[in-house]
Amino acid sequence: SQQGEEDPQALSIQEGENATMNCSYKTSINNLQWYRQNSGRGLVHLILIRSNEREKHSGRLRVTLDTSKKSSSLLITASRAADTASYFCATDGGTDKLIFGTGTRLQVFP
Amino acid sequence: DTGVSQDPRHKITKRGQNVTFRCDPISEHNRLYWYRQTLGQGPEFLTYFQNEAQLEKSRLLSDRFSAERPKGSFSTLEIQRTEQGDSAMYLCASSYGPVVALHFGNGTRLTVT
Repeated sequence: SQQGEEDPQALSIQEGENATMNCSYKTSINNLQWYRQNSGRGLVHLILIRSNEREKHSGRLRVTLDTSKKSSSLLITASRAADTASYFCATDGGTDKLIFGTGTRLQVFP
Repeated sequence: DTGVSQDPRHKITKRGQNVTFRCDPISEHNRLYWYRQTLGQGPEFLTYFQNEAQLEKSRLLSDRFSAERPKGSFSTLEIQRTEQGDSAMYLCASSYGPVVALHFGNGTRLTVT
């Protein structure tokens, strides 16, 4: 079963534009994480935001968390072709394991 | 830190055969997770270990699946009597402690013909 749903399922933008992906989840959480996956590869951890945090930044990434709406967003600023990948949110659902969403496929055109 | 390694990268097998995959986690990580991912979907949790103890196994996991982590180091995932529906990418991840950042291997892609 999958805890989260990402929106949109697919996103195509030009280099230099910003990309925004949203994640909704179902149960209470301790933290929410975002991962990137290049085609045919494993997932790479991008950022973790705790349930008592509202916003977090890491380089060109900005993550927000709204626990009242059970939603999060990932913003990638000034996108590059190398950002082309699938992006997944993952939540712990108050347990000891991460449950992943369905992912957003991002295509950045040069 | 040499990362999480998985072997083999690809496995093609005939329906009904048994297969075994291996995962070597980052050496100081005490937690090891197995996930399965089908095309266009997110990773689906299968099972996890803390050291050598298997703490949880997904209710969706058939009895044909078994995992071990002897001595709390590498782990193996075995699928007995494979079915075409078992075709997927099998991902291993490790971490030091619960629900912190997971470090993933590049997966084993299984094709059952």
